[in-house]
Amino acid sequence: SAVISQKPSRDICQRGTSLTIQCQVDSQVTMMFWYRQQPGQSLTLIATANQGSEATYESGFVIDKFPISRPNLTFSTLTVSNMSPEDSSIYLCSVGGTGPYGYTFGSGTRLTVV
Amino acid sequence: TQLLEQSPQFLSIQEGENLTVYCNSSSVFSSLQWYRQEPGEGPVLLVTVVTGGEVKKLKRLTFQFGDARKDSSLHITAAQPGDTGLYLCAGGSGTYKYIFGTGTRLKVLA
Repeated sequence: SAVISQKPSRDICQRGTSLTIQCQVDSQVTMMFWYRQQPGQSLTLIATANQGSEATYESGFVIDKFPISRPNLTFSTLTVSNMSPEDSSIYLCSVGGTGPYGYTFGSGTRLTVV
Repeated sequence: TQLLEQSPQFLSIQEGENLTVYCNSSSVFSSLQWYRQEPGEGPVLLVTVVTGGEVKKLKRLTFQFGDARKDSSLHITAAQPGDTGLYLCAGGSGTYKYIFGTGTRLKVLA
């Protein structure tokens, strides 16, 4: 299965600023997924990032707030823009899904907005 | 909207005890996955079940997919502190997109 490197692992940010999270995969993948995990809760899909096209956002998430880049088949970034304390969460990137290895996740970015 | 409800939400048990975690939905899924997530890490896949009634064993963990493919259970025998973590089920409907359950946080005390 793929190996994902995600960074930063954690950050504390001031409200109103933006943070960009990077995700690097050790193999080429068609789709990369970005999830949010609020404290003590399950995973919610933010968007699916395809190389060469705009990301597909889930209900409740918009591109202006969570712009995503996918410049090639091994890399993606998620930006959390104009942050507020409500954005404090763990953000995870992942690949895979339906294959025998299921989803493979990065180790997550723990974001705290103060 | 498809939902996967897990129960219990929290579970704290002594080492050596048995436990069962349930994952229920009103929707039918073509496959169901179970993950375990430890603090500071992403979820890690434990198993995928695809056939109604299917039972899979992974050492002390037994997974079952309901006959109607709407529910699943995870049974742990003789729990150990290393089993501590957040357990998540995830249901798929034939696409790349899986719906994650509400999660069960397990703590096994030595």
